[in-house]
Amino acid sequence: VVLTQSPATLSVSPGEGVSLSCRASQSVSRHLAWYQQKPGQAPRLLIYDVSNRATGIPARFSGSGFGTAFTLTISSLEPGDVAVYFCQQRSKGVSFGGGTKVEIK
Amino acid sequence: EVRLVESGGGVAQPGGSLRLSCVASGFTFDDYTMHWIRQVPGKAPEWVSVISWDSNSRFYGDSVRGRFTISRDNRKNVLYLQMDSLRTDDTAFYYCVRDKLGQYSYVFDYWGQGALVTVSS
Repeated sequence: VVLTQSPATLSVSPGEGVSLSCRASQSVSRHLAWYQQKPGQAPRLLIYDVSNRATGIPARFSGSGFGTAFTLTISSLEPGDVAVYFCQQRSKGVSFGGGTKVEIK
Repeated sequence: EVRLVESGGGVAQPGGSLRLSCVASGFTFDDYTMHWIRQVPGKAPEWVSVISWDSNSRFYGDSVRGRFTISRDNRKNVLYLQMDSLRTDDTAFYYCVRDKLGQYSYVFDYWGQGALVTVSS
């Protein structure tokens, strides 16, 4: 399953909302997760099974979607959210999207 | 606090071998399936291998099958990855990763800091 993320880069002002897209080449049902990777760090699980927040993840991170189209929303961007965000499916094998880089404007 | 600490990375020649280790702490290690995932800087992560809690089941990605071997020692809380017949395209950071939901959920909830493996002549 090929996961395509868009846009590749997003520049956002602090306090603004952000929506990141992940599209699958075939249906992955609800088996879609999101990870945040800050510079020089390992990825961190944010959301699994489309909309379940991982332990310690603030409520301003939310996920939605089903089948082939998914969205990660950050309701109010903070400077600490600067990172690359990856989606990952576990429906048919395992694959990751190419990532969306979120920058502060 | 869950901690995963990798070691054993370094430089190897094409055709050579390396063994990675990952010491786990802060959770009951033998309750969890464990994975290795690798990532070339600036690229997406790539799943490498998984091992069940009791070592009875092991699976590998297509790019490493037949060359890499995953194992674990539940008495010592250590996960291993033996890498043989290394190729230049094996160069990457290698992460030790816990499976969140138990057996083979492939949701990755805790990652180590990564070990850099460089394959070069």
